[in-house]
Amino acid sequence: EIVLTQSPGTLSLSPGERATLSCRASQSVSSNYLAWYQQKPGQAPRLLIYGASSRATGIPDRFSGSGSGTDFTLTISRLEPEDFAVYYCQHYGTSSLFTFGPGTKVDIK
Amino acid sequence: QLQLQESGSGLVKPSQTLSLTCAVSGGSISSGGYSWNWIRQSPGKGLEWIGYIYHSGSSYYNPSLKSRVTISVDRSKNHFSLKLTSVAAADTAVYYCARGVEYYQALDVWGQGTTVTVSS
Repeated sequence: EIVLTQSPGTLSLSPGERATLSCRASQSVSSNYLAWYQQKPGQAPRLLIYGASSRATGIPDRFSGSGSGTDFTLTISRLEPEDFAVYYCQHYGTSSLFTFGPGTKVDIK
Repeated sequence: QLQLQESGSGLVKPSQTLSLTCAVSGGSISSGGYSWNWIRQSPGKGLEWIGYIYHSGSSYYNPSLKSRVTISVDRSKNHFSLKLTSVAAADTAVYYCARGVEYYQALDVWGQGTTVTVSS
C-alpha cells in the first residue's frame, strides 16, 4: 500500500510570495495518476492538477505541478488572497485504490 | 454542466447503517470513462477515500472500510448510493460524492458534501 506524505504541514506566507508544496510517495508511483486538490473551509475540494503537471479546467496558470517517481511538487508562483487554503495530493495505484496525502495548509503570515 | 448532490440521514445511531445517495444531474451516470466515488472527511481531518463504482456495477473499496461498505448504482434514477454498516462515532464526518475520470484517475466534480453524525 502506497503512503503519501506532504510537507510542510503548514506554510505561512504573504500574498505575492511563491509557495512550494511537497508530496512524497512511499514507493515510486506513476505520475499519470498523481493529482492535487485545493480545499477552502466549508467547501468541497477542487481539482487543480492531474497527471502530475496538467492543470484542470479553469485553474489559473500560477498553479503548476511537477515531479516523478516518489517526489512531486505543487508550486503557486504568486499567492493571491484566495489561494490560502489546504492542499492535498492524491494517487491512484495498485489494486485500483485512491490514496490522499494528509494535506498542507497555506496560511497568511 | 455536471452536478452532484448528496442526500440522506444526517444523524445515525451507533451500530446502525448509514445510507446516502448522490444524485447526478447535467449528465448520465451511464457515460463511459468515469467512476462514481464516495470520500469522507472527519472534523478537522484530511480526506479519506471510501470507494467507487462504475456504471457497470463493478466496485472497489478502501480496505480499511471494505467489510462495512457497499456502493451501488441505479442507472434508471441516475444516482449512486453508499451504505456503511455498524457505524460508530469515528464515522462522524462530512461525506462527499465525486466523479472520477478514468483517463487520469482524479476526481474532477464534487458534491457539496453532507454531514453525518453518529450519536445516540
